[in-house]
Amino acid sequence: TQLLEQSPQFLSIQEGENLTVYCNSSSVFSSLQWYRQEPGEGPVLLVTVVTGGEVKKLKRLTFQFGDARKDSSLHITAAQPGDTGLYLCAGIKASGTYKYIFGTGTRLKVLA
Amino acid sequence: GAGVSQSPSNKVTEKGKDVELRCDPISGHTALYWYRQRLGQGLEFLIYFQGNSAPDKSGLPSDRFSAERTGESVSTLTIQRTQQEDSAVYLCASSSTVAETQYFGPGTRLLVL
Repeated sequence: TQLLEQSPQFLSIQEGENLTVYCNSSSVFSSLQWYRQEPGEGPVLLVTVVTGGEVKKLKRLTFQFGDARKDSSLHITAAQPGDTGLYLCAGIKASGTYKYIFGTGTRLKVLA
Repeated sequence: GAGVSQSPSNKVTEKGKDVELRCDPISGHTALYWYRQRLGQGLEFLIYFQGNSAPDKSGLPSDRFSAERTGESVSTLTIQRTQQEDSAVYLCASSSTVAETQYFGPGTRLLVL
């Protein structure tokens, strides 16, 4: 059962445009991670957000964790072709044992 | 090693056959995870190992799936009597401990004909 829904599922934009990807759940998470996955490779961690309302920036990428720790967003400014890939959010539940719950994924294509 | 390695990189098998997938984690990593990723989709948790603790098998989809890990080293994921719906990429990840960053291998692409 998928507890994390991402939107949009697919996104094709021109180089230089801005975009936002959303990750939503009805569950509360201890923390949330964003990964990028390129074809033929495993996902690579981009960021971990822990505190409700937290905002982290990684160059042109801005990540926000919702106040209630149920949702998150990833905003990319001035997208570049190198940003192309599958973006995955993962919620972490830490209560006795650790559970990683991955989102449904957003496939981004940035056209030159 | 330098990173997580998985073998084989690709596997084609016939329905009903058993397959064994291997994962070599980063040396010293006590936590190891297996995920399944169907085409174009997110990751589905299967099982994780943490040190000598009993593994969390809550994600295994059926009793045809099993996994073992020898100490804090290599792990094997076995799928018995494969079905076409088992076709997917099987990803392995390891972390220094369960709450730390997961490092993923490149995956094994399994195709069941």
